[in-house]
Amino acid sequence: NAGVTQTPKFQVLKTGQSMTLQCAQDMNHEYMSWYRQDPGMGLRLIHYSVGAGITDQGEVPNGYNVSRSTTEDFPLRLLSAAPSQTSVYFCASSYSTGGESNEQFFGPGTRLTVL
Amino acid sequence: AQSVTQPDIHITVSEGASLELRCNYSYGATPYLFWYVQSPGQGLQLLLKYFSGDTLVQGIKGFEAEFKRSQSSFNLRKPSVHWSDAAEYFCAVGVGGTASKLTFGTGTRLQVTL
Repeated sequence: NAGVTQTPKFQVLKTGQSMTLQCAQDMNHEYMSWYRQDPGMGLRLIHYSVGAGITDQGEVPNGYNVSRSTTEDFPLRLLSAAPSQTSVYFCASSYSTGGESNEQFFGPGTRLTVL
Repeated sequence: AQSVTQPDIHITVSEGASLELRCNYSYGATPYLFWYVQSPGQGLQLLLKYFSGDTLVQGIKGFEAEFKRSQSSFNLRKPSVHWSDAAEYFCAVGVGGTASKLTFGTGTRLQVTL
């Protein structure tokens, strides 16, 4: 298994440009989520999905869109990039939302800079 | 709203010394608690988790943590630190009745001196 993969690893955008961060998992996990990591702030939840066709907002959803058309993929779209979106983005997945055997697996991250 | 506090931003210990990283949470219901480790430029790896039962939980790499409900704490410990333990450590709480929707603390960066 490749686990959780993210592309690209690095990206530089200009203000106002749009782009999609890709996330895929091959573990047949129901639950997927996106976090952003900023210095001194830990990780904050942007959007999450409990299954194909179902998404919901997290703590910091503004400026981001998501969709979940398949179990495997959960892309994050920046519609009009702003410098405040400069961050490291992590995708995560888990088998389900509950249960003691549950564990979230994180991807390696995408480092995004918006100029 | 739920929150997680890691009061120590940066800790330095000598190799072979013991380690305790502090974590306090605020959450109205029974929490799901986690410790993750992040090496530079890497993603997060789960060290251990607490869902219920025994309040002392064992994790990977020789780490353990103790859940203390009365103190709303979930401190991470290791009896003897290795240089390879240098990393950033995050405490997190699973909220909304799920172990997957996580609220993270701001992290503690561990430096290990030889």
